[in-house]
Amino acid sequence: SQKIEQNSEALNIQEGKTATLTCNYTNYSPAYLQWYRQDPGRGPVFLLLIRENEKEKRKERLKVTFDTTLKQSLFHITASQPADSATYLCALPTSGTYKYIFGTGTRLKVLA
Amino acid sequence: GAVVSQHPSWVICKSGTSVKIECRSLDFQATTMFWYRQFPKQSLMLMATSNEGSKATYEQGVEKDKFLINHASLTLSTLTVTSAHPEDSSFYICSARDPGTSQETQYFGPGTRLLVL
Repeated sequence: SQKIEQNSEALNIQEGKTATLTCNYTNYSPAYLQWYRQDPGRGPVFLLLIRENEKEKRKERLKVTFDTTLKQSLFHITASQPADSATYLCALPTSGTYKYIFGTGTRLKVLA
Repeated sequence: GAVVSQHPSWVICKSGTSVKIECRSLDFQATTMFWYRQFPKQSLMLMATSNEGSKATYEQGVEKDKFLINHASLTLSTLTVTSAHPEDSSFYICSARDPGTSQETQYFGPGTRLLVL
């Protein structure tokens, strides 16, 4: 069955550094992948979508890569700030639908 | 950007009662909405897809008679947890697609925290 793995351990980094989060998937060949941010007690907020034919996508301080050979996406936040502290989720569509499978998320904490 | 609201934001109820949660798309029409449940430190789990004007489709293992979904209009879907029990306590989140801006992106509501005593 389709499976998504994100590092469930919290990631603590110093302010100003680059945070890198990983999303791995198996038994799957998605046409695209999405990243969301979720704050405690809130619904997820869409950040970026990257398609299978795109190697990299950027939005301000965010960068996403998508390696369909490794079945992996990396999510980078450059010049990280304490306000970036949140849980980041990756999501992939189930084949032929707009239904999504979400990873468990990685909790990022940026230390001032 | 597309905004989705949910009401109430939190609810506490006694075991055996029914609870209704509303999900509204505020500035766009959503023919399809999704209902998720999230337990602490776990991922979002899709419960059902709500289709305007037709029956909802439920994911495997989700009891459709317990979680009633009504997509009454292009901007409103409701989830009713019938005869709620403590194990139904969870964070319920809806989302909607805005085909006018993006076919793929889902816009999420702020969630509803349900506590069944």
